[in-house]
Amino acid sequence: DAGVTQSPTHLIKTRGQQVTLRCSPKSGHDTVSWYQQALGQGPQFIFQYYEEEERQRGNFPDRFSGHQFPNYSSELNVNALLLGDSALYLCASSWATGRSGEQYFGPGTRLTVT
Amino acid sequence: GQNIDQPTEMTATEGAIVQINCTYQTSGFNGLFWYQQHAGEAPTFLSYNVLDGLEEKGRFSSFLSRSKGYSYLLLKELQMKDSASYLCAVRDSNYQLIWGAGTKLIIKP
Repeated sequence: DAGVTQSPTHLIKTRGQQVTLRCSPKSGHDTVSWYQQALGQGPQFIFQYYEEEERQRGNFPDRFSGHQFPNYSSELNVNALLLGDSALYLCASSWATGRSGEQYFGPGTRLTVT
Repeated sequence: GQNIDQPTEMTATEGAIVQINCTYQTSGFNGLFWYQQHAGEAPTFLSYNVLDGLEEKGRFSSFLSRSKGYSYLLLKELQMKDSASYLCAVRDSNYQLIWGAGTKLIIKP
């Protein structure tokens, strides 16, 4: 049973560029959440997708956008990259109707903006 | 605002017991989660509490008091592999997870 997968593992971009990160949820999961985790901090919620729509959004600017596909996989897009966007980006999947809604995390994408 | 507080770092000895506390102030409450995160890796689910009381799962137990906005994670028979960060997260009224900064647990032989 494949867990949550993310690509790429690492990425280096320049300020002002755009980036797309990808996530495939755990088999059977229909909800995908994206988080940004700075070094030494807890994850910060970016947004959550369910049924191909953004269901919730955290305090992130519109430069952060996403998409969910019919197979439940998801993309996170960040435009006009800033140095402060350097972080570990985590994707987590869950069942929308699960008892606890516990989330299963992918290995993350380490983004470095120079 | 919403806030989750945990100690930044704790040290314990192999074979001992350690309790990691978490206090929270959130807009509503729909459950509290504990996750373990080894350095450079993704968080992994440890426990879930939605009602007051103790949930036991092997060497790990988690306690919740909703009236006090308080939880703790209890780790028994500590092993070196338990060295990691432990993250407390609360699901608020919008079913959004609010995360603490994590507690780095250092296990010494």
